[in-house]
Amino acid sequence: GQQVMQIPQYQHVQEGEDFTTYCNSSTTLSNIQWYKQRPGGHPVFLIQLVKSGEVKKQKRLTFQFGEAKKNSSLHITATQTTDVGTYFCAGRRSGGSNYKLTFGKGTLLTVNP
Amino acid sequence: GAGVSQTPSNKVTEKGKYVELRCDPISGHTALYWYRQSLGQGPEFLIYFQGTGAADDSGLPNDRFFAVRPEGSVSTLKIQRTERGDSAVYLCASSLGLGGSTDTQYFGPGTRLTVL
Repeated sequence: GQQVMQIPQYQHVQEGEDFTTYCNSSTTLSNIQWYKQRPGGHPVFLIQLVKSGEVKKQKRLTFQFGEAKKNSSLHITATQTTDVGTYFCAGRRSGGSNYKLTFGKGTLLTVNP
Repeated sequence: GAGVSQTPSNKVTEKGKYVELRCDPISGHTALYWYRQSLGQGPEFLIYFQGTGAADDSGLPNDRFFAVRPEGSVSTLKIQRTERGDSAVYLCASSLGLGGSTDTQYFGPGTRLTVL
């Protein structure tokens, strides 16, 4: 079945440092979504990428979708303590009409003030 | 408007008992998803509905798990003969539709199930 891998599993940074998490799928994706889950909270949608090579920005967050539509990354510039949480990517398999999302295990980001 | 709501927020039960977990999606959302999340893991897909029908139930671990959505709104996840390994947070999400920008999933707060 489809697998979505994320690295690193954990990342601890000093406030102001940059952070990147990477996502790789075993199959080509029709789209990829990113979610953030604060400690004790539930996943909150951040963004969806659909096109090959797509890059989207949200303030200090930059999201990329690979040319082959099998990998993605999330980069945070100048982290702040409010960025703490687990970042998940979730991919939808290309082809067909199945809208099932497969989530990665997430990257837990902690920020030292 | 209100987001996705789930009840109960916490459920403690004994091994072998039956439990029901309820999800109220955002009004007007046609798609509803159930996930299970264990500590340190990402949400694990269980089942999703489009309207009243289960479009994909391939994530249900075994026949002790069953979910319904009889009127295309509220959904209930039912677990029979609970086992300790069923302990997890059960998340529900809904989306306006399927495909394109309509399938952004909005998650509920989850039900934390503990099987003793």
